[in-house]
Amino acid sequence: AQSVTQLDSHVSVSEGTPVLLRCNYSSSYSPSLFWYVQHPNKGLQLLLKYTSAATLVKGINGFEAEFKKSETSFHLTKPSAHMSDAAEYFCVEAGAGSYQLTFGKGTKLSVIP
Amino acid sequence: DTAVSQTPKYLVTQMGNDKSIKCEQNLGHDTMYWYKQDSKKFLKIMFSYNNKELIINETVPNRFSPKSPDKAHLNLHINSLELGDSAVYFCASSQSQGAGVEQFFGPGTRLTVL
Repeated sequence: AQSVTQLDSHVSVSEGTPVLLRCNYSSSYSPSLFWYVQHPNKGLQLLLKYTSAATLVKGINGFEAEFKKSETSFHLTKPSAHMSDAAEYFCVEAGAGSYQLTFGKGTKLSVIP
Repeated sequence: DTAVSQTPKYLVTQMGNDKSIKCEQNLGHDTMYWYKQDSKKFLKIMFSYNNKELIINETVPNRFSPKSPDKAHLNLHINSLELGDSAVYFCASSQSQGAGVEQFFGPGTRLTVL
């Protein structure tokens, strides 16, 4: 069974500093990987997705993620945090050939003014 | 226009009651889903329908019964509500069942069982 591990349940950064949210996936085949963001009391919005094309994926709002097969990682980064980035972030995997999503447990990002 | 909508947004009810949550998507998608998000924010799929047919039914009590009257709607009916059913329920849809296909999520329905 697939599993997605988000290594930090809570990350706190100062405004204007870099963001790193870590994610490891489990699939030994070529998975599809996503990052979704959930703002307080809102639904989930897709930030970016990886589907075996370029290993560095650019998403919305300045976020990007790098697929590293050797490390089974798909970490999310942003060069400079903004207050509006404060939210819950979910790393999500779909196994090879599958549309069924497996969610990580989420990382809450706090941005300090 | 809202792509995936759910009603109601909040639902507070007593144990033992029966309730329904409605979901509609106007994206023309073939596949729809229900997810449950628990108090620790963990999301887990419950059901998936493709062209009105059930294709995923995870380990969910049979008190939960999805119904898809047409491709644009997937409603969730819950019988004999229990305290543990309190959660946020998200509806989602996708164009197809292909790998890497983006799922579009509704705003969620927060169910509180007293």
